[in-house]
Amino acid sequence: GAGVSQTPSNKVTEKGKYVELRCDPISGHTALYWYRQSLGQGPEFLIYFQGTGAADDSGLPNDRFFAVRPEGSVSTLKIQRTERGDSAVYLCASSPGGGEGTEAFFGQGTRLTVV
Amino acid sequence: AQKITQTQPGMFVQEKEAVTLDCTYDTSDPSYGLFWYKQPSSGEMIFLIYQGSYDQQNATEGRYSLNFQKARKSANLVISASQLGDSAMYFCAIRRTGGYQKVTFGTGTKLQVIP
Repeated sequence: GAGVSQTPSNKVTEKGKYVELRCDPISGHTALYWYRQSLGQGPEFLIYFQGTGAADDSGLPNDRFFAVRPEGSVSTLKIQRTERGDSAVYLCASSPGGGEGTEAFFGQGTRLTVV
Repeated sequence: AQKITQTQPGMFVQEKEAVTLDCTYDTSDPSYGLFWYKQPSSGEMIFLIYQGSYDQQNATEGRYSLNFQKARKSANLVISASQLGDSAMYFCAIRRTGGYQKVTFGTGTKLQVIP
């Protein structure tokens, strides 16, 4: 597709369950970012990938969160033993590179609700 | 570390009038870029405008202009001739330049355009 695609758009899960959120970036974009946006807040950085490798995972809140991008395209954010505090919109973005002025293009996000 | 401060949680503007959304930043990096994104109720983050720290002129994109005052560390967004479709959340963001770098967002300003 033309833009960043995230699936599912909405996910409701029970506390303690495992969830996977998928991001399909714009074709050819080498950089991919995951952000988390809580209600009334700006997006909070989680992790970014340069190709297949996680170049910076300093934003992951704890070891329950993990992300992969095995072929340098689609990425999956994985959350184990979900907690109610994980409820948020998870945004994915991609960019063609990291040069100055290179803006990131965002998907519409996955709204995760942990009940 | 980088920080963005947006002190206006909400703003109102009359249709066809201009409005300024405030943004101040803090960074120790010598080279950086400043971004503004729009987030309508649909949730997608839409890139609006970019300003590099070494750019001599203020950036402009159609009805959007960035009032960059480096000494004051401010990067205010000016929207001219407001339209009803401009009603949305607006986020200021900063990123260190060079390679792949994460973007740090502010808490946003909710703009409402009144007919």
